[in-house]
Amino acid sequence: SAVISQKPSRDICQRGTSLTIQCQVDSQVTMMFWYRQQPGQSLTLIATANQGSEATYESGFVIDKFPISRPNLTFSTLTVSNMSPEDSSIYLCSVEDTTPDTQYFGPGTRLTVL
Amino acid sequence: GNSVTQMEGPVTLSEEAFLTINCTYTATGYPSLFWYVQYPGEGLQLLLKATKADDKGSNKGFEATYRKETTSFHLEKGSVQVSDSAVYFCALPDTGRRALTFGSGTRLQVQP
Repeated sequence: SAVISQKPSRDICQRGTSLTIQCQVDSQVTMMFWYRQQPGQSLTLIATANQGSEATYESGFVIDKFPISRPNLTFSTLTVSNMSPEDSSIYLCSVEDTTPDTQYFGPGTRLTVL
Repeated sequence: GNSVTQMEGPVTLSEEAFLTINCTYTATGYPSLFWYVQYPGEGLQLLLKATKADDKGSNKGFEATYRKETTSFHLEKGSVQVSDSAVYFCALPDTGRRALTFGSGTRLQVQP
């Protein structure tokens, strides 16, 4: 299975600032996904990021707030812009491995906004 | 779209007890079904999966059988350990998409 790393692992940020989260995979993958996990909650898909095309955002998530880059087949970034305390969550990236539908997750980025 | 319903937690068990976490699904067709586990302070790990009806996924002593008659994928373990304390998520692909839809998660606490 793919090995996924995320940076930073955690951060504490001030409201109104932005944070960029990096996701690195040890193999080339077509599909990458970004999820949000609010405290004590399940996972919610933010967007799907395919290399060479614009990210596809889910209802309730917009590009101005969560811009995503996917410059190659092993890397993606998610930026959380103009942060507020409501953005405090765990942000996870995942990739679809060679087996369709099977996703593997990074360790997550734990974000606290003060 | 596809959806999944999990039993609510927390589930508190003594070590060596039998575990069942219920998961039922609503889906178009017969998608793959998954159980993920999230240990404290960590990301999600794929625990097991089943790709078609009557398949049994297994890993680390955990098992789940894909039951299309009851649209269920219950997670079981015969003898839990303290180290199994975690949150368990049932999941399946969303309708017509590659992203996953997750259940609400079930927190398991195993006491020595």
